[in-house]
Amino acid sequence: GESVGLHLPTLSVQEGDNSIINCAYSNSASDYFIWYKQESGKGPQFIIDIRSNMDKRQGQRVTVLLNKTVKHLSLQIAATQPGDSAVYFCAENAPSYGGSQGNLIFGKGTKLSVKP
Amino acid sequence: DAGITQSPRYKITETGRQVTLMCHQTWSHSYMFWYRQDLGHGLRLIYYSAAADITDKGEVPDGYVVSRSKTENFPLTLESATRSQTSVYFCASSESGARRGYGYTFGSGTRLTVV
Repeated sequence: GESVGLHLPTLSVQEGDNSIINCAYSNSASDYFIWYKQESGKGPQFIIDIRSNMDKRQGQRVTVLLNKTVKHLSLQIAATQPGDSAVYFCAENAPSYGGSQGNLIFGKGTKLSVKP
Repeated sequence: DAGITQSPRYKITETGRQVTLMCHQTWSHSYMFWYRQDLGHGLRLIYYSAAADITDKGEVPDGYVVSRSKTENFPLTLESATRSQTSVYFCASSESGARRGYGYTFGSGTRLTVV
């Protein structure tokens, strides 16, 4: 099965509310995580990343939280806007997969719908 | 323009035909990747390349061939297309591997339909 997964496949929020998208990972050796946003008909777009030596990282309106104890990752979007509607993927670096540099393993994605 | 481009954007081919999907990046990134995206499976790695003339299999390599004679190009060939290869294909590049903390930049994708 997938080593990276998502708790909620779909999420619907009201415009202006905060959104939280969750992700579980199973590889305790993973040391780098990324959130991607994918709009319809487009390729995934990098949002924010975090290394395993951090538990929180903030960007513009987005925050990623990492809980290594329970192997959980979350993406928080503040003041969600209609333009945030997309599928969000978490990805983990899998050091043992794909050679010495590892490769990213992606979760299946969560669809975020923002209601105006 | 700088970036990563895929061609064609859409492709319909018949079962048994050979088809090549193109990927070109202008950053001179060392790493390049091919993923396929299917409902229920997310993004799955087909092949990747750490440098010119170095390629390796990913999670789902069967039925695909890649080459990387130049750093900027990473074509993906379906030697004998099957309907199960109907999918959206994404190419990505990265300055270095994920282990060093480099994310991937994706192209816009190629939607391939095998009839």
